[in-house]
Amino acid sequence: ETGVTQSPTHLIKTRGQQVTLRCSSQSGHNTVSWYQQALGQGPQFIFQYYREEENGRGNFPPRFSGLQFPNYSSELNVNALELDDSALYLCASSLEVQGDTQYFGPGTRLTVL
Amino acid sequence: AQSVTQPDIHITVSEGASLELRCNYSYGATPYLFWYVQSPGQGLQLLLKYFSGDTLVQGIKGFEAEFKRSQSSFNLRKPSVHWSDAAEYFCAVLPEGGNKLTFGTGTQLKVEL
Repeated sequence: ETGVTQSPTHLIKTRGQQVTLRCSSQSGHNTVSWYQQALGQGPQFIFQYYREEENGRGNFPPRFSGLQFPNYSSELNVNALELDDSALYLCASSLEVQGDTQYFGPGTRLTVL
Repeated sequence: AQSVTQPDIHITVSEGASLELRCNYSYGATPYLFWYVQSPGQGLQLLLKYFSGDTLVQGIKGFEAEFKRSQSSFNLRKPSVHWSDAAEYFCAVLPEGGNKLTFGTGTQLKVEL
């Protein structure tokens, strides 16, 4: 059974640029959630995707957007990067869309200069 | 809105000593409860979870946690800590039927040899 994978592992961008992060869900899982973890903090929920549609969103501006593909993989896009967007971005997948255990990937470390 | 409090930011224990990490939550009903562990620069690994039933749950790596409804607590314990347990530990809650995990700020565990 393949776990959650994310790419890239690290990347560095400059303020104002756009970035795309990718996530492949665990085998058989149809729901993907994205979290932002700033240094020294717990992860914060960005949004969740189920059946290729956004299914719940945390307190993040519209410049954070996402996609889910028919194979359940997902992308997180962030436009107009700001310095405060520097964080570890975690993807989690679950078997059920609600009330289910979420399994996390290794994360993508984004640094905005 | 639900919240999670982990009152201990840092804890240091000697190898072989027992460990208890505290977690308190605020929520109108009993949520689903989780403990995750994060090694430096890594994603989150699920240690254990509580959905219902027996209030003492067993997890991986010899960890256990006890749900106490009257205290709104879900403390993590291990009878004998190993040096490899040094990591950051996060308590999280998920509303029953919900999709958004809410995390505490984490407890950094240091193990002295």
